[in-house]
Amino acid sequence: EIVLTQSPGTLSLSPGERATLSCRASQSVTSNYLAWYQKTPGQAPRLLMYAASSRATGIPDRFSGSGSGTDFTLTISRLEPADFAVYYCQQYGSSPYTFGQGTKLEIK
Amino acid sequence: EMQLVQSGAEVKKAGESLRISCKGSADSFITYWIGWVRQMPGKGLEWVAIIYAGDSRTRYSPSFQGRITTSVDKSITTAYLQWNSLKASDTAMYFCASTPGGGDSSGAFDIWGQGTVVTVSS
Repeated sequence: EIVLTQSPGTLSLSPGERATLSCRASQSVTSNYLAWYQKTPGQAPRLLMYAASSRATGIPDRFSGSGSGTDFTLTISRLEPADFAVYYCQQYGSSPYTFGQGTKLEIK
Repeated sequence: EMQLVQSGAEVKKAGESLRISCKGSADSFITYWIGWVRQMPGKGLEWVAIIYAGDSRTRYSPSFQGRITTSVDKSITTAYLQWNSLKASDTAMYFCASTPGGGDSSGAFDIWGQGTVVTVSS
């Protein structure tokens, strides 16, 4: 089973700033099948990125993903108030398709 | 486009059985994988299991295998998650979600249900 470790646990930033979130896998993720989700309280998760760097339908280009192998990054270029949430990475290259423990992005 | 509607909140006692449902709307339901994700109170997302609606192929997380079963009824475009004997530690929100049957996004959940809260008392 691939273990995903996200860092930092909490990121405190201000609207307009740039956020960089990290996701490290315990072994190489097959075909870079790595997804990112945004989760806000009381809502279902929202898919942001898949295959490491492809934006899901309707996701603004402020969100971008990069990385390969074991190291992946989600970048939000200019934070808006709605972006403050918990972000999870998930690998779906090999079953079981595991999630990271999450990074909480909070307003500074 | 696929939409998923889950069954309502459940309150059960330890040792009881339970089946929750997830109804899909797409005419192409059988071309999707339907997965289940758990979120315990105050905790993160956990991948539970996934089933291919077309032929009921399943994959389970080792953390849940043996305790839960997922199934699908194609005729009514509905997937299920079932417990034979609940524990208090099963108390959580359970989401169903869909992903296409093939391609680079197969495995990434792009459509989600609203979640089913399961509360188990000891």
